Amino acid sequence: AQSVTQPDIHITVSEGASLELRCNYSYGATPYLFWYVQSPGQGLQLLLKYFSGDTLVQGIKGFEAEFKRSQSSFNLRKPSVHWSDAAEYFCAAYSGAGSYQLTFGKGTKLSVIP
Amino acid sequence: DADVTQTPRNRITKTGKRIMLECSQTKGHDRMYWYRQDPGLGLRLIYYSFDVKDINKGEISDGYSVSRQAQAKFSLSLESAIPNQTALYFCATSENRGSQHFGDGTRLSIL
Repeated sequence: AQSVTQPDIHITVSEGASLELRCNYSYGATPYLFWYVQSPGQGLQLLLKYFSGDTLVQGIKGFEAEFKRSQSSFNLRKPSVHWSDAAEYFCAAYSGAGSYQLTFGKGTKLSVIP
Repeated sequence: DADVTQTPRNRITKTGKRIMLECSQTKGHDRMYWYRQDPGLGLRLIYYSFDVKDINKGEISDGYSVSRQAQAKFSLSLESAIPNQTALYFCATSENRGSQHFGDGTRLSIL
């Protein structure tokens, strides 16, 4: 079955440190890939997306993600984390042409130490 | 004003009651979705609709029903609520397979 896996349930980093959140997918073709962020009491906000083309995509709030077909990964990165980045992050994917359902990973909760 | 509005934001009710959660959007999108979120499980799709005359079951539709009253309105009903339907519910919209846009959620507690 098609799936999206976020291996890390909870990550803690110090403010100012770099961040990488992992996401792996299991699809035969190149999926459409997304990263969302959810702050407490809020809905999900789109950070960035990848459909095709340049495999390094830039998003809002200083985030970027790199699509690596050979590793079936779409990891989210930020060079310097701010306390306001503490939230839960979700990777999601459509399986490509003809797909109707967005499949979400189970999320990674990010805590930031001042 | 929010593009995707969910009402109510919070609801506490008793087992066996009928509950309706409402969603309206001003984005002009044809596609609308209902998800539930449980801790550690991510978001799971309940129902989705590609236009007013199109309703489809998602991954976990049992115990739920929906109504697409207009392009901008999509409601979710629990005919006879049970405690394991306690969750955070989200409505979302999209254009085709583009990015989905989410409301702020409805926190539903069933006692």
